[in-house]
Amino acid sequence: NAGVTQTPKFQVLKTGQSMTLQCAQDMNHNSMYWYRQDPGMGLRLIYYSASEGTTDKGEVPNGYNVSRLNKREFSLRLESAAPSQTSVYFCASSEEGAGTEAFFGQGTRLTVV
Amino acid sequence: AQKITQTQPGMFVQEKEAVTLDCTYDTSDQSYGLFWYKQPSSGEMIFLIYQGSYDEQNATEGRYSLNFQKARKSANLVISASQLGDSAMYFCAGPSARQLTFGSGTQLTVLP
Repeated sequence: NAGVTQTPKFQVLKTGQSMTLQCAQDMNHNSMYWYRQDPGMGLRLIYYSASEGTTDKGEVPNGYNVSRLNKREFSLRLESAAPSQTSVYFCASSEEGAGTEAFFGQGTRLTVV
Repeated sequence: AQKITQTQPGMFVQEKEAVTLDCTYDTSDQSYGLFWYKQPSSGEMIFLIYQGSYDEQNATEGRYSLNFQKARKSANLVISASQLGDSAMYFCAGPSARQLTFGSGTQLTVLP
């Protein structure tokens, strides 16, 4: 019953460093997403992938890149981390069709100093 | 553009009482849906309930029900018989899983 697995759970970066957040799902979902959650705000979509090999920008894509490695895995890369990217990052996946909820990973708490 | 508005940053309810969390939305889509998620202090996102725009009856899932008023563009979550474990952040989101837009959330505190 793994569902959506994110790694790492916590990370501290220095400004300018790079890192990749990993996400994998075992529910055979076509669609995968990356969100960020900042204090006092709901989740905001960074990027999403409707199927293997496709990615699209969401509401806040600047400073991020993504890779849909295969149907299971969707990674988020910060090339040059900035303090404004301090946030909690959630990966999610869903089936196609109306009424299908998104299943979320446990989140990654990222601090950029 | 889609917009989800939750106007109650915080709510208090007495244990065993019912509480309504407000959500209004704005969308130009003809077919859409609204989701409610719960986020406890541990941080995970838990799906609670869904209502589609063409569903004729309000959705219910156990103690959760959705008061959906299409003309008012509102999709309020009603929690009946509140329990201490209901204390959490609640998010309204829509209009579809592929392009979920979240509201800013309501922090619910259940008092013993």
